[in-house]
Amino acid sequence: DAKTTQPPSMDCAEGRAANLPCNHSTISGNEYVYWYRQIHSQGPQYIIHGLKNNETNEMASLIITEDRKSSTLILPHATLRDTAVYYCIVREISGGSNYKLTFGKGTLLTVNP
Amino acid sequence: ETGVTQSPTHLIKTRGQQVTLRCSSQSGHNTVSWYQQALGQGPQFIFQYYREEENGRGNFPPRFSGLQFPNYSSELNVNALELDDSALYLCASSEGTNAYNEQFFGPGTRLTVL
Repeated sequence: DAKTTQPPSMDCAEGRAANLPCNHSTISGNEYVYWYRQIHSQGPQYIIHGLKNNETNEMASLIITEDRKSSTLILPHATLRDTAVYYCIVREISGGSNYKLTFGKGTLLTVNP
Repeated sequence: ETGVTQSPTHLIKTRGQQVTLRCSSQSGHNTVSWYQQALGQGPQFIFQYYREEENGRGNFPPRFSGLQFPNYSSELNVNALELDDSALYLCASSEGTNAYNEQFFGPGTRLTVL
């Protein structure tokens, strides 16, 4: 899997949008961008994924740049419960090694009251 | 629908001992993956089991082994424990091995090796 680069930590005020960046400059054409988060003392939780179009679900929005070398996860109205480590992962959908998730260190997002 | 469960939640062992961790997959899921998460690091893939067979393995020594049972629950066994084996062990289940199949994680087992 291609490597990703994320800031180690970010702060956000409660109720404001949280924008988490991820660089994946070596992403290849058949690799998707996935986001997971891990709340303290819990297992990782899937948030969203995309290939090249922007995606939105009930949890978040994913904005992928046109060249696909970076993306931003947006939590539109952050709450205290969104405090977690957020992982950006690029992952090949097809092929023999698609079964595993390769996590980096992620970004610790702290939502402040 | 029951989520992924793991047991025990916490475990303390001494160096050289052996440990078995257990994972029950989510209903309808036939694939279980195991991950090791050291403090301050992201989870690292250990191996995956699909229909009772190992389907892929990460960079872990042979003393890390696993089993999957006909009901798709799984065990992770670690022999000759080392201090560096202290970590959170996570299992994740999915409907299949395809990358389209989302992996659902359990809460993990915290292993401490003294």
